[in-house]
Amino acid sequence: SYVLTQPPSVSVAPGKTASITCGGNNIGSKTVHWYQQKPGQAPVLVIYYDSDRPSGIPERFSGSNSGNTATLTISGVEAGDEADYYCQVWDSYSDYRLFGGGTKLTVL
Amino acid sequence: QVQLQESGPGVVKPSQTLSLTCTVSGASISRGGYYWSWIRQHPGKGLEWIGYIYYSGTTLYNPSLKSRALISADTSKNQFSLNLTSVTVADTAVYYCTRETSLRGIGFWGQGSLVTVSS
Repeated sequence: SYVLTQPPSVSVAPGKTASITCGGNNIGSKTVHWYQQKPGQAPVLVIYYDSDRPSGIPERFSGSNSGNTATLTISGVEAGDEADYYCQVWDSYSDYRLFGGGTKLTVL
Repeated sequence: QVQLQESGPGVVKPSQTLSLTCTVSGASISRGGYYWSWIRQHPGKGLEWIGYIYYSGTTLYNPSLKSRALISADTSKNQFSLNLTSVTVADTAVYYCTRETSLRGIGFWGQGSLVTVSS
């Protein structure tokens, strides 16, 4: 079965850039979405279709997807960005959806 | 604005059936192009996709649930439901109902409903 691998944690200083990866076999051929989840809240979509931003999501959030790795990049990190981040893949062949294990972003 | 609200028992006994309903406002579940899905999150863990019902009535489930899940819709009430049979403590989780598209991801989530499996 298909597996998505995310680092359990990423730490970054305020104002710096955070990169959160999502690894999977030939993930570049699939559609990837990213979600932010703060404690006690439902997740929020921050990137869809690999690199598109929903309305209301700051330009600081960007995404890329190629080869075996998809990446969520947050530039100019703020304290309010501290949260868990999940990648999600849509497999167009099976139509299944699959989540990565999540990455806890800590702002130092 | 699309809103989703889960409802159902907070506690279910082992071996029984977990039943949750999602009431949708601001959108019609019978309108084309959207998948109405259930996602769960075990305490302190990550997200798990359970399955969806498409506006046409087509359903698809996560194979890891081994055919225990059933998603249905009541278009007259603009609701869709999840039944999960033969539950165990491992099914204790927060259950979210959502609206998604394949290419645009999950744009709308309910607030989540904690279901505890306990005797």
